[in-house]
Amino acid sequence: AQSVTQLDSQVPVFEEAPVELRCNYSSSVSVYLFWYVQYPNQGLQLLLKYLSGSTLVESINGFEAEFNKSQTSFHLRKPSVHISDTAEYFCAVSQYNFNKFYFGPGTKLNVKP
Amino acid sequence: GAGVSQSPRYKVAKRGQDVALRCDPISGHVSLFWYQQALGQGPEFLTYFQNEAQLDKSGLPSDRFFAERPEGSVSTLKIQRTQQEDSAVYLCASSYAEGGTEAFFGQGTRLTVV
Repeated sequence: AQSVTQLDSQVPVFEEAPVELRCNYSSSVSVYLFWYVQYPNQGLQLLLKYLSGSTLVESINGFEAEFNKSQTSFHLRKPSVHISDTAEYFCAVSQYNFNKFYFGPGTKLNVKP
Repeated sequence: GAGVSQSPRYKVAKRGQDVALRCDPISGHVSLFWYQQALGQGPEFLTYFQNEAQLDKSGLPSDRFFAERPEGSVSTLKIQRTQQEDSAVYLCASSYAEGGTEAFFGQGTRLTVV
């Protein structure tokens, strides 16, 4: 079975500051890794994913995450956040067939002016 | 439709009442998932359909929970004899193909059992 840990339930940060949201997973088999974002009153949206290849993956709005197999981590980072990044972020893992996703408990990012 | 649609958005049920939650996936999407999200927690897998076949129902918490997708499009999650611990947001997601790596989520149905 797989499990996902997001140690920070809330992360307050000022606008234009850098941020890192931590994600660690446990699995006995190879997994694929995802970050989903949930803006207020909206459904979950895929932010970025790691399937294979380069361990550093990027989203279109400036977020990036790096897959670290030895540390079983997939931390999400952004060098300079905006007010509009305020949302809840969920890390998730899936096995090869993508028929089941395991989600972490989420991290609420609160960007303050 | 443009996205995954779930109805109702909110449902209040008295303990012991049966409820039915509806999910309209994106047209043409083969895979459909149901998740349960309790307050302050991440979504937890309930069940998975590939077209009309329910291939995995390992996450359904009890035999009071039943899901169907008879024609391979719209799906219904039914909860019989609701209990307070069933209070949660129920999320539906769909993806284009078996093994599709991006799941598109609906806004969810918030169920409150009183």
